[in-house]
Amino acid sequence: NAGVTQTPKFRILKIGQSMTLQCTQDMNHNYMYWYRQDPGMGLKLIYYSVGAGITDKGEVPNGYNVSRSTTEDFPLRLELAAPSQTSVYFCASSYRHRETQYFGPGTRLLVL
Amino acid sequence: QQQVKQSPQSLIVQKGGISIINCAYENTAFDYFPWYQQFPGKGPALLIAIRPDVSEKKEGRFTISFNKSAKQFSLHIMDSQPGDSATYFCAGIHQGGSEKLVFGKGTKLTVNP
Repeated sequence: NAGVTQTPKFRILKIGQSMTLQCTQDMNHNYMYWYRQDPGMGLKLIYYSVGAGITDKGEVPNGYNVSRSTTEDFPLRLELAAPSQTSVYFCASSYRHRETQYFGPGTRLLVL
Repeated sequence: QQQVKQSPQSLIVQKGGISIINCAYENTAFDYFPWYQQFPGKGPALLIAIRPDVSEKKEGRFTISFNKSAKQFSLHIMDSQPGDSATYFCAGIHQGGSEKLVFGKGTKLTVNP
């Protein structure tokens, strides 16, 4: 099993550009999550999903959108990139919400 | 409030020493407390976890101590090694059905050889 994979690993965006961060898991997990990590600030939940077709906002959803059309994929969309979205983004998945979350390797995003 | 407060922000320990990281939570409904370990350039990975019905859990050199009345829990790393150098996050999640794991801000541990 590859676990949780994320693409791209690194990306530079100009202000106002859009992009999609890809996340795929092959563990047949129901729950998937997107976090952002900023230095000294821990992990902030952006969006999460409890199954295909169901998504909900986390702590910091503004400026982001998600969709969950399949169990495996949970892409994160940035529509109008802003410097405040410079961060490292992690996707994670778990079988149930109170069980271990498995994280991907992260996507480092720089918005200039 | 669902905060998890973690301290210290950074910690430097000599090889063979004991590393101690502390966390405090506010929501008494929390019923699962995991610790995640993150190496530079990698995603976090579960290290050890505890539920509030036990006061201590040990896995190898890693021990979680849990004080339910004080709403505090801590990670102890015995005989710390340079390979333990990483960022450690404590977290909590409550039994009310929320799917949201609440993380502390992390502790960067450096173990000097």
